[in-house]
Amino acid sequence: EIVLTQSPTTMAASPGEKVTITCRASSSVSYMHWFQQKSGTSPKPWIYDTSKLASGVPDRFSGSGSGTSYSLTISSMEAEDAATYYCLQRSSYPWTFGGGTKLELK
Amino acid sequence: QVQLKESGPGLVQPSQTLSLTCTVSGFSLTSYHVSWVRQPPGKGLEWMGVIWTGGSTAYNSLLKSRLSISRDISKSQVFLKMNSLQTEDTATYYCARDLLAWGQGASVTVSS
Repeated sequence: EIVLTQSPTTMAASPGEKVTITCRASSSVSYMHWFQQKSGTSPKPWIYDTSKLASGVPDRFSGSGSGTSYSLTISSMEAEDAATYYCLQRSSYPWTFGGGTKLELK
Repeated sequence: QVQLKESGPGLVQPSQTLSLTCTVSGFSLTSYHVSWVRQPPGKGLEWMGVIWTGGSTAYNSLLKSRLSISRDISKSQVFLKMNSLQTEDTATYYCARDLLAWGQGASVTVSS
């Protein structure tokens, strides 16, 4: 099983601040996918195939990475970005999620 | 538009079997795969398994011995059955089309 480790697990960012969330895989994966989840709601696809933004996702978000190291970046934090973000690999079974990064507004 | 809706019992007794239904609309089960994902209260997401367009399945190895996913194409429904439930199976259970479109989730509590 490929284990995904996200860092940090929690963080707070001020409006306008740049944010980077990292997802490290225990073995190499082909792509990484990201989801945003706000309290009491279903996860939303956010970034797929490492760097493609899902429909409706603001372009201040970006994704990058390869092999065992991937990241989600927000160029300028906004209040609506406060949420929990999860990475997901589908390169091998079982598909696995990272433990999540809770991003709060400072 | 694409919709998925989970349904099932909100409360299940320990050692019993959980049966959930995911009713979909706006797409065909022969064109898109559907996964089940669960989330215990206050915790992260766990992928449980997938049923592919051709009907084949793959399961999380940690759940494989207890889990079964099937479908009825004519009714646009995907089913989850998991036996020998324990309190740690208390969670919100989601079905998701290719993990890009999600249902609202079904809350399941395992308790006597």
